[in-house]
Amino acid sequence: DSGVTQTPKHLITATGQRVTLRCSPRSGDLSVYWYQQSLDQGLQFLIQYYNGEERAKGNILERFSAQQFPDLHSELNLSSLELGDSALYFCASSVDGSGTQPQHFGDGTRLSIL
Amino acid sequence: AQSVAQPEDQVNVAEGNPLTVKCTYSVSGNPYLFWYVQYPNRGLQFLLKYITGDNLVKGSYGFEAEFNKSQTSFHLKKPSALVSDSALYFCAVSPLPDTDKLIFGTGTRLQVFP
Repeated sequence: DSGVTQTPKHLITATGQRVTLRCSPRSGDLSVYWYQQSLDQGLQFLIQYYNGEERAKGNILERFSAQQFPDLHSELNLSSLELGDSALYFCASSVDGSGTQPQHFGDGTRLSIL
Repeated sequence: AQSVAQPEDQVNVAEGNPLTVKCTYSVSGNPYLFWYVQYPNRGLQFLLKYITGDNLVKGSYGFEAEFNKSQTSFHLKKPSALVSDSALYFCAVSPLPDTDKLIFGTGTRLQVFP
């Protein structure tokens, strides 16, 4: 058990809809990362937050947004969903944002767009 | 562009034999290097990292990896494979100065046969 909790585990919705994915980091970790894993794109870094502030941005679409709350949990919001957004979305956390410490991954949220 | 290459989609090895999973990278400077493992329907688990120092790093479950700066490689090794090692293995690079981001390879599926 990595200590990172993601909810829900599965999400099925339709095109055009909006969903929110939630992540609780490991106790004591200040940094949260979001990734998208799909068969065609592999594992792609989306965005990172550190202690409530956005730290780094990767290949995140404008339809996607995220935030980290004062209790350090994070949410990833996906809107105007398209079929191509179907993927496994992972949250990871690390104790700091230095890059020297490993990231600990949750088990992911599987998003299916019908 | 910065990238990580895992040239083998799949590696097959008999139980008890040594295994190697290859990784090469193309980033500027001296990056931080990581190996992660993913079991079915689970998130990635950290195996080991290279930050600086000894080129041979030891990690979890008997795995080790050798950093070779001249060949820009970071191959994962284990002296004696177990059937339970069968999983998907990812090499990742944290490039300086953007150490907050992890660039992942496409993954290598390791199949260990009894």
